[in-house]
Order: sequence, then structure tokens, then C-alpha cells
Amino acid sequence: DAGVTQSPTHLIKTRGQQVTLRCSPKSGHDTVSWYQQALGQGPQFIFQYYEEEERQRGNFPDRFSGHQFPNYSSELNVNALLLGDSALYLCASSLAEGMGYGYTFGSGTRLTVV
Amino acid sequence: GQNIDQPTEMTATEGAIVQINCTYQTSGFNGLFWYQQHAGEAPTFLSYNVLDGLEEKGRFSSFLSRSKGYSYLLLKELQMKDSASYLCAVRLTGKLIFGQGTTLQVKP
Repeated sequence: DAGVTQSPTHLIKTRGQQVTLRCSPKSGHDTVSWYQQALGQGPQFIFQYYEEEERQRGNFPDRFSGHQFPNYSSELNVNALLLGDSALYLCASSLAEGMGYGYTFGSGTRLTVV
Repeated sequence: GQNIDQPTEMTATEGAIVQINCTYQTSGFNGLFWYQQHAGEAPTFLSYNVLDGLEEKGRFSSFLSRSKGYSYLLLKELQMKDSASYLCAVRLTGKLIFGQGTTLQVKP
């Protein structure tokens, strides 16, 4: 049973560029959440997608956007990259709210902005 | 606002017991998770508390007091492989709010 798969594992981008990160949820899960984890910090919630819609959003600017596809996979897009966007981006999949409490995390994408 | 506090670093000796504390002040509460995270890897699930009291799972136990906004993770018979970051996270509707994590170093 495959867990959460994220790609790519590492990425280096230049300030001002745009990046797309991808996530395939655990089999049976229909909800995908994205988190940003800066070095030495805990993960911070970016947003959650369910039924192809953004259901919740954390305190992140509009440069961060996402998408969920009919097969439940998801993308995170970041425009106009800043040096401060360098972080580990984690995807977590789960069942819809009220259907279960567990979250399964992927290994993350390490984004470095230079 | 949401606030979750954990100690930044702890050191313990192999074979010993260590307790990692977590205090929280959040607008809502649906449960509290503890995760283990090795450097550059995914957080892995350790425990989940919804009701007050102690949950035991092998070498790991977790305690919750909702009235005090307090939880702890107890690790027994420490092993070198337990050196990692331990994340406390409060489950709200639709999201998790994490503490900054506690880096545990286990020494021989």
C-alpha cells in the first residue's frame, strides 16, 4: 500500500521564478494538505484541498496556490519566489473531516531559492 | 491566536526515560498528535490523544490534560535511534497546528 508520494525530492530555483510541487495521496485518502517547514521549525499549514476545492487556508500570501485533481493528487504552486520560501514542503493526506483523524505525511520536497 | 510551546532541545542517556512537554493555547481542539521526525524526513505518527489521560504504546506513552492545555510524550528505554525531532500538533478542523519541535539527542 503506497504512502504519500511527493516529487521532486529536491529543487533549486532562482529568486523570482515559479515552482510546482506534486503530491500523490495515500491510497484511500481523498484530502490533501500542504505544510511549509523552515529549518529548525515545526510545519506551518498552507492550505487543504478536498473535492478539488481549497477548503482551508493558512496565513500565506496569494503567491501560494494549489490544485487538486479528480484522482485526489495535488499540486502546490509558488510564484515570484523569495529567498524566504526556502523550506521543506510537506504534503499530508487524510480522509475527509469527520471520517478519520489520521494524517499520512510524504517525505517532502526540499526547495532552495538562491 | 494559536500557540504551542515545546522545549527546543533535550539530551538524555541511552536506556533512560525522557519526558517531552507540550503546552497549547488554541482556538478549538479536536485532538493532539505526537510525531517523530528525523532530519529531512517525513513526520511519522507516534500517538494521538483526544480524551484526558495516558495512552501507552510500547516504549512510548502520551498524556493529555485538556483543562490545563498540556500534554507530554514519555519515551522509555531510550535507544540511539530515538535521536530525532519530536513534534506536538493540535488538530483543529481541517488543519494541524504544530509546535516548533523538540530535538532529542540520545547519548551513549
